[in-house]
Amino acid sequence: EVQLVESGGGFVQPGGSLRLSCAASGFFFGNYWMDWVRQAPGRGLEWVANIGPNGGDKNYVDSVKGRFTVSRDNAKNSLYLEMNSLRVEDTAVYYCVAAIVGMGGRMYLDSWGQGALVNVSS
Amino acid sequence: IQLTQSPSSLSASVGDRVTITCRASQGIGSHLAWYQQKPGKAPDLLIYAASTLQSGVPSRFSGSVTGTDFTLTISSLQPEDFATYYCQHLKSYPFTFGQGTRLEIK
Repeated sequence: EVQLVESGGGFVQPGGSLRLSCAASGFFFGNYWMDWVRQAPGRGLEWVANIGPNGGDKNYVDSVKGRFTVSRDNAKNSLYLEMNSLRVEDTAVYYCVAAIVGMGGRMYLDSWGQGALVNVSS
Repeated sequence: IQLTQSPSSLSASVGDRVTITCRASQGIGSHLAWYQQKPGKAPDLLIYAASTLQSGVPSRFSGSVTGTDFTLTISSLQPEDFATYYCQHLKSYPFTFGQGTRLEIK
């Protein structure tokens, strides 16, 4: 059974930093793309970033480029999101997602963690 | 690429047939997924590649595409289907989501 467990969320002041971690189990982590998706309170879903199986390919939504960095450690079955220069509008639940199901050259976001709350407030 | 879902909210009864539409601002082929999210929970993947049912998802859910218009259909609503539904494209980065459709009990 695929399990994804996020940690590292919490309260931080604007301009501060936070590092989210995601511990993966139940699948061969090093074979798959991994994504971060966030959801602000009472709002919809926003795709944030993803990283390829070997860590060489990384993609970000424009609003976090230059501030957030996605990384992974395949030996530890772990995914990370380093968040710097945090803004109030970054307040959200951040989900770690595994893209295991594939078709037509695309890997779909089929396994989600429970989420970690990041609250940016002064 | 923008995705526009309609309606934004919908009231229906158990047993009803329901259709939710997601329109893409440009061609995305079949690179679209549908998710269901219940309050306080992570989303669940329902449909991928526009029309392929994810393993374990009931067959009352189906997806289709005509051009840039994608449709999620629930053939006979069950009590557990009342939730918010999102579409997402995977054509190119960023992989944007639609704004969501909230399905409520009438």
